[in-house]
Amino acid sequence: DVKVTQSSRYLVKRTGEKVFLECVQDMDHENMFWYRQDPGLGLRLIYFSYDVKMKEKGDIPEGYSVSREKKERFSLILESASTNQTSMYLCATTVGARGEKLFFGSGTQLSVL
Amino acid sequence: AQTVTQSQPEMSVQEAETVTLSCTYDTSENNYYLFWYKQPPSRQMILVIRQEAYKQQNATENRFSVNFQKAAKSFSLKISDSQLGDTAMYFCAFLETSGSRLTFGEGTQLTVNP
Repeated sequence: DVKVTQSSRYLVKRTGEKVFLECVQDMDHENMFWYRQDPGLGLRLIYFSYDVKMKEKGDIPEGYSVSREKKERFSLILESASTNQTSMYLCATTVGARGEKLFFGSGTQLSVL
Repeated sequence: AQTVTQSQPEMSVQEAETVTLSCTYDTSENNYYLFWYKQPPSRQMILVIRQEAYKQQNATENRFSVNFQKAAKSFSLKISDSQLGDTAMYFCAFLETSGSRLTFGEGTQLTVNP
């Protein structure tokens, strides 16, 4: 089975800290996504990447950046964490001839104090 | 950009009864995929059902079925014979055929009551 691993399940950081959230997949998937999940707002797309060093802004990219130096790893970076970035962050990847299968990490609950 | 709307933040149903969750979407694409995902308290996303837009037949998976109305851009989920284990947050999702963009709705919290 495909595995999508997020490095931390829970994370507590302070305002102004630089935060790295890592997502690693164990197959040769091209498309990877970062979402944040907030009550009543569903999953909102932050960034996605369709290949190494390629990235596209999602719906709410402000305050975030990403890095994809290797195909298996897609990192989400909070340059200067703020309290409104407290949220659950979910990584996903798609696979299939037409990208029709989805796989998810187990999520990282980030609290910024 | 595609949008997905779930207009029911919360729903409840009695065990063994039937419930329908609504989802509408907006796109200019002709070919795409639609999904319903279930998220229990463990936070793991579990695929419930998938529909390919070019297939007219509605997808079914045991007690779960969809009513896919392409012209109306509607994709509702029907759960028959509801079970306590169906209690979860349900998300509707849209995927472009290129697989390059995946959009979710706001979610519907379903509670099955004994």
